[in-house]
Amino acid sequence: DVVMTQSPLSLPVTLGQPASISCRSSQSLVYSDGNTYLNWFQQRPGQSPRRLIYKVSNWDSGVPDRFSGSGSGTDFTLKISRVEAEDVGVYYCMQGTHWPGTFGQGTKLEIK
Amino acid sequence: QVQLVQSGAEVKKPGASVKVSCKASGYTFTSYGISWVRQAPGQGLEWMGWISAYNGNTNYAQKLQGRVTMTTDTSTSTAYMELRSLRSDDTAVYYCARSNIVVVPADFDYWGQGTLVTVSS
Repeated sequence: DVVMTQSPLSLPVTLGQPASISCRSSQSLVYSDGNTYLNWFQQRPGQSPRRLIYKVSNWDSGVPDRFSGSGSGTDFTLKISRVEAEDVGVYYCMQGTHWPGTFGQGTKLEIK
Repeated sequence: QVQLVQSGAEVKKPGASVKVSCKASGYTFTSYGISWVRQAPGQGLEWMGWISAYNGNTNYAQKLQGRVTMTTDTSTSTAYMELRSLRSDDTAVYYCARSNIVVVPADFDYWGQGTLVTVSS
């Protein structure tokens, strides 16, 4: 299985400051159709996961533009330009290029 | 709007079986698949398997092979996940998620609210 490694696992951030989460895969995530199926999910406390970003850098509907995704091949990043209180939760990267789909360990974002 | 509504919490004894349902609405059920993902208490997300709502094809995580069965009822737009021979480490919140019509590339764009399954003697 493809191993997804996130860092950091804990991310204390001051309100209004930026935040960045790294995700690395053990294999290239470029699919045979040329797309890269790397998604980012947010899981707020007590809620289901919610997809924020798909195919590396595409926003889901309703996702604030302070979130952005980037990367290629095996290295990917989720950035939050200015953290707000509602951003508290756990963030997961997930690859869908190789069977089975696999998730990173999760990064817990908290407010300092 | 797309919605996936799951059945309620379950408490089961070790060795028993559980069947969780996931009723879909707001889209053409047979144009997508359904994946099941579980999350043990305080832990991360684990993909369990996928079923095509179009033709019933399935693909299960290797560690669950032989214990899990995923089915769909297209007449009611409902997906089911049955897990047998339950153990304490099956205690988790089980989520269904809308997925692609093919198993790969995998994606989970809409999620159900989750079903807590507790396995305890």
